[in-house]
Amino acid sequence: DTAVSQTPKYLVTQMGNDKSIKCEQNLGHDTMYWYKQDSKKFLKIMFSYNNKELIINETVPNRFSPKSPDKAHLNLHINSLELGDSAVYFCASSQPQGNTEAFFGQGTRLTVV
Amino acid sequence: GNSVTQMEGPVTLSEEAFLTINCTYTATGYPSLFWYVQYPGEGLQLLLKATKADDKGSNKGFEATYRKETTSFHLEKGSVQVSDSAVYLCALSDPGGTYKYIFGTGTRLKVLA
Repeated sequence: DTAVSQTPKYLVTQMGNDKSIKCEQNLGHDTMYWYKQDSKKFLKIMFSYNNKELIINETVPNRFSPKSPDKAHLNLHINSLELGDSAVYFCASSQPQGNTEAFFGQGTRLTVV
Repeated sequence: GNSVTQMEGPVTLSEEAFLTINCTYTATGYPSLFWYVQYPGEGLQLLLKATKADDKGSNKGFEATYRKETTSFHLEKGSVQVSDSAVYLCALSDPGGTYKYIFGTGTRLKVLA
C-alpha cells in the first residue's frame, strides 16, 4: 500500500498547455509539500501546506497553483507551461515537527516540448 | 538562512571500497539531519537520520554522526556494493517546524564491479 502516491508518473505536453499532477498520502500526516528536482538532481521546495493551509510559497511563478481539498491530498496545477518547467516534481508529506522525516512520492517527470 | 552543502560528484568507487560523502550545514537552532537515497527512476527514500548532536544514524551498513562542533553529517560505508549506486542527498529540517526540508545538491555514487 503506497504511502505517498502521485499521478501521472510521466507527462509530456506542449508549451502553453495547462496540466495537473495529483498527490495523495495515506500516512495521516498534517503537512504536504511539492518539490522540484532539476536535471542536476537539485531538490528545491515549491510549496508546503499544513492542514490544508498554505504555509510556504517559495517564489514560484503564479502559473503554479497548488490545491489541497483535504489533508490527504495536495494537487499541483500548472498553467501556460514553458520549456523551463521540464523537471521531476515530487510530492511529500510529514508531520509538522521537524525531527521526523518526510515521505516522498515516486515523482512525476514533466517534459514540455 | 539555513543551507546544506554536499561534496560534488560523481563519486566512482570499486566494489568493497570505503565510502565517504561529505555534508555540512548552516542553521539557526538545532536542526534534524537526514540522508536520503534516490535510485535511478525512483523517488527519495530515507536512509538514516539524527535529531540531536552526537547522535549516530545507521542503516544498511551506512552511518553518519551529527557533529555540532563542525556542523557536519558525513555519510560513510565501510564496503560499498554495486547495488549502492544511486544519488545521495543530505537534508535538514528545523525542529521548530518551518514546514520545509532543505536539501544539498546530491552526490551521485557509481560502484563498479
